Amino acid sequence: GAVVSQHPSRVICKSGTSVKIECRSLDFQATTMFWYRQFPKQSLMLMATSNEGSKATYEQGVEKDKFLINHASLTLSTLTVTSAHPEDSSFYICSGQKTASFNEQFFGPGTRLTVL
Amino acid sequence: GQQLNQSPQSMFIQEGEDVSMNCTSSSIFNTWLWYKQDPGEGPVLLIALYKAGELTSNGRLTAQFGITRKDSFLNISASIPSDVGIYFCAGRRVDTGTASKLTFGTGTRLQVTL
Repeated sequence: GAVVSQHPSRVICKSGTSVKIECRSLDFQATTMFWYRQFPKQSLMLMATSNEGSKATYEQGVEKDKFLINHASLTLSTLTVTSAHPEDSSFYICSGQKTASFNEQFFGPGTRLTVL
Repeated sequence: GQQLNQSPQSMFIQEGEDVSMNCTSSSIFNTWLWYKQDPGEGPVLLIALYKAGELTSNGRLTAQFGITRKDSFLNISASIPSDVGIYFCAGRRVDTGTASKLTFGTGTRLQVTL
């Protein structure tokens, strides 16, 4: 199998607070994990690529100090949205890539973030 | 970031009909993946393609890796109501080197009527 979980599934927070989202690969080891953001009726946009034990690589236009990524183990990556604002409200999805499979990514169920 | 052009943008079909959608790019890809996303869920991998010209089936789904390596199509035969959702193509560009990140298509929203 290739199951990825995310927690929480939904979160509502006040503007200015920080929110942490966890991404876990449940039945495989993920050397690389990816974080995406998806706005309503739009496609997935890659935010950053995270390799276990090293710093994340951020896509152009994504603020690394605002979206903190930690990939401390082969089964867990976290995304922290710091000082969240209403424009950060979105659907955040992570994916994991099996160590032995270079091209396929397996996605989590997503986290709906609403910033008031 | 770059996105792949996917068409059609949306489709309304009757149950039992066949569906065809495609994905095109100006860049060359060495991997094509097709995903289905239900509302409020993450994408689920349907088919993976690794070679130009490759034709792969998964049940009622068939996908092909275009010979030019710049396109791919997905066919769904005899559609059923649970086929409703958004279908995304995704590819890994040749010029990303060792990076394994994917570029996603704009999506095709499929509605099936009884």
